[in-house]
Amino acid sequence: QVQLVQSGADVKKPGASVKVSCKASGYSFTRHYLHWVRQAPGQGLEWMGIINPVSGTTRFAQKFQGRVTMTRDTSTSTVSMELYSLRSEDTAIYYCARDLGGTGNDPFDHWGQGTLVTVSS
Amino acid sequence: EIVLTQSPGTLSLSPGERGSLSCRASQSLSSNSLAWYQQKPGQAPRLLIYDAARRATGIPDRFSGSGSGTDFTLTISRLDPEDVAVYFCQQYGNSPLTFGGGTKVEIK
Repeated sequence: QVQLVQSGADVKKPGASVKVSCKASGYSFTRHYLHWVRQAPGQGLEWMGIINPVSGTTRFAQKFQGRVTMTRDTSTSTVSMELYSLRSEDTAIYYCARDLGGTGNDPFDHWGQGTLVTVSS
Repeated sequence: EIVLTQSPGTLSLSPGERGSLSCRASQSLSSNSLAWYQQKPGQAPRLLIYDAARRATGIPDRFSGSGSGTDFTLTISRLDPEDVAVYFCQQYGNSPLTFGGGTKVEIK
């Protein structure tokens, strides 16, 4: 079955960076784009960006441009998201999610379990 | 950026009752590219409906989606206690992808 397993919770100080990984299994890794979405405590969902697992091409929400990178490793079927210059407002659960149709313009049919990132001095 | 507005904020229903959740887009969605997700406390969201009206794999038929253009509805035909959750709509046809603020469904 399709699984997206994310790295564990992390605590960072303001100004630091955090890297969250997402290991895919149960399907052909290169057939589906992967997205990153975050959710601040008690809040809604916010799309951060997308990565093409074949080319590594990325597209980000303007809000995160210049402060986020997304990479993939096809040998381990893993995507990673790194967010820089952290501030308290970045405290959130970060999710990876699989694109249903494999085009990058589809809904998300499988989600990781989420990774809590806490930014605190 | 397309803004999605969900209403009501909270919907209180009795078990077996029918309920409707609304999602309004700030501009017309291409190809009715709208999805609905269910999120229970402490869990990741789960895809319920996509393309405005197509049920995702394994979703009970008491969940249905309708609408087009800028106005969309998720209907729960007979509320089951396990349906208590927050429901989000999402548009995926235009970048950036955006979500509505959510509707909380609770048991009356």
